[in-house]
Amino acid sequence: EVQLVESGGGLVQPGGSLRISCAASGFTFSNYWMHWLRQTPDQGLVWVSDIKGDGSNTHYADSVKGRFTISRDNAKNTLYLQMNSLRVEDTAVYYCTRSGAPYAVDVWGQGTTVTVSS
Amino acid sequence: QSALTQPPSVSGSPGQSVTISCTATSSDVGSYNHVSWYQQPPGTAPKLMIYDVTNRPSGVPDRFSGSKSGNTASLTISGLQAEDEADYYCSSYTNSNTYFFGTGTKVTVL
Repeated sequence: EVQLVESGGGLVQPGGSLRISCAASGFTFSNYWMHWLRQTPDQGLVWVSDIKGDGSNTHYADSVKGRFTISRDNAKNTLYLQMNSLRVEDTAVYYCTRSGAPYAVDVWGQGTTVTVSS
Repeated sequence: QSALTQPPSVSGSPGQSVTISCTATSSDVGSYNHVSWYQQPPGTAPKLMIYDVTNRPSGVPDRFSGSKSGNTASLTISGLQAEDEADYYCSSYTNSNTYFFGTGTKVTVL
């Protein structure tokens, strides 16, 4: 069964850092682009970042560029998102997703909640 | 202000058809050929329903169809069923190698 399981969410103060992870199983992880998306009731769904299967290419939304870093460990079938200089507006449910269709994501994790608050 | 505008809500009776529009308001979407649609029932993660404007992934009922005219993409649900009640989001790839998502539409089955 194809599965993505996020972990590492929690409460962090503004200006702080957090790393969230995503364990992939049931498919050849290194063959796929992977994405992080986030969702809030106010902003809806927002694309955050993506990374090529071999880790050689990454892209970021303007709102997180310079603060967030996406990475992957294909030996461990794990995707990461390092979040620094966190802001209150980064509070969201963060989803790990797989790009198994052209320019679309076809597998989603259950999400992990990140709350930035003092 | 989102680059992809959707109506907040649409509704229909069982068996009817409903159409959700997704209008691009930014030239960053380019030719707007890489539009996808996602269904999100309450309390669950989104599910891919349509990719590249008109293509259905395996397992998605053919009641769901996508189209595009100019800068407006559309998702049509034919033969509406109670299980189709959910939020629906469009998404588009951009010239900057990023993605926009639409504002979301709540579909209500009357």
